[in-house]
Amino acid sequence: AQRVTQPEKLLSVFKGAPVELKCNYSYSGSPELFWYVQYSRQRLQLLLRHISRESIKGFTADLNKGETSFHLKKPFAQEEDSAMYYCALSGLDTGNQFYFGTGTSLTVIP
Amino acid sequence: EAGVAQSPRYKIIEKRQSVAFWCNPISGHATLYWYQQILGQGPKLLIQFQNNGVVDDSQLPKDRFSAERLKGVDSTLKIQPAKLEDSAVYLCASRLGARGVNSPLHFGNGTRLTVT
Repeated sequence: AQRVTQPEKLLSVFKGAPVELKCNYSYSGSPELFWYVQYSRQRLQLLLRHISRESIKGFTADLNKGETSFHLKKPFAQEEDSAMYYCALSGLDTGNQFYFGTGTSLTVIP
Repeated sequence: EAGVAQSPRYKIIEKRQSVAFWCNPISGHATLYWYQQILGQGPKLLIQFQNNGVVDDSQLPKDRFSAERLKGVDSTLKIQPAKLEDSAVYLCASRLGARGVNSPLHFGNGTRLTVT
């Protein structure tokens, strides 16, 4: 069965410190992994996707198939990064459903 | 491009009453999803449409929830009768195609339902 695990519900870091939000997944096929972010009073929006191998707002995420992980990282956290972050999994074997983790609330302390 | 539109933004009803939510996806997006997000949890899929057909409604509580997308564009989600545990944010999302390579979901603002 498909599953996405985000072990940390809450994460606090100081401004300028590195941040890593963990995501592990369980999926038998070839996964498509995404990170979504929800800022206060805004809609859920795509932050980045593994296939793009891009850096958005300084965030990167590498798909590690051996460890079945897709951790989100940023070397220097900013106050505006405070938000709710969701890891999501999709793929052809899921019928193009998206499975979401329970989310990690990131607070960047000034 | 215009985003996914949802209405209403907020709704408060008493238990056993009925409620309906409306969603207009991004133009051209064939796939539409309804998610339920209970406080402190991630979005949980209720139903997925491909054009006007249902792809997956396995997690939809069909004794009280119903959804339709008659013309393959707008969609409505109805709860009748509502229970206290239905209090949640109901999210509508759309996607370009069923098999679009890594095409992401685009979400609406959601409808926050409170059942008292």
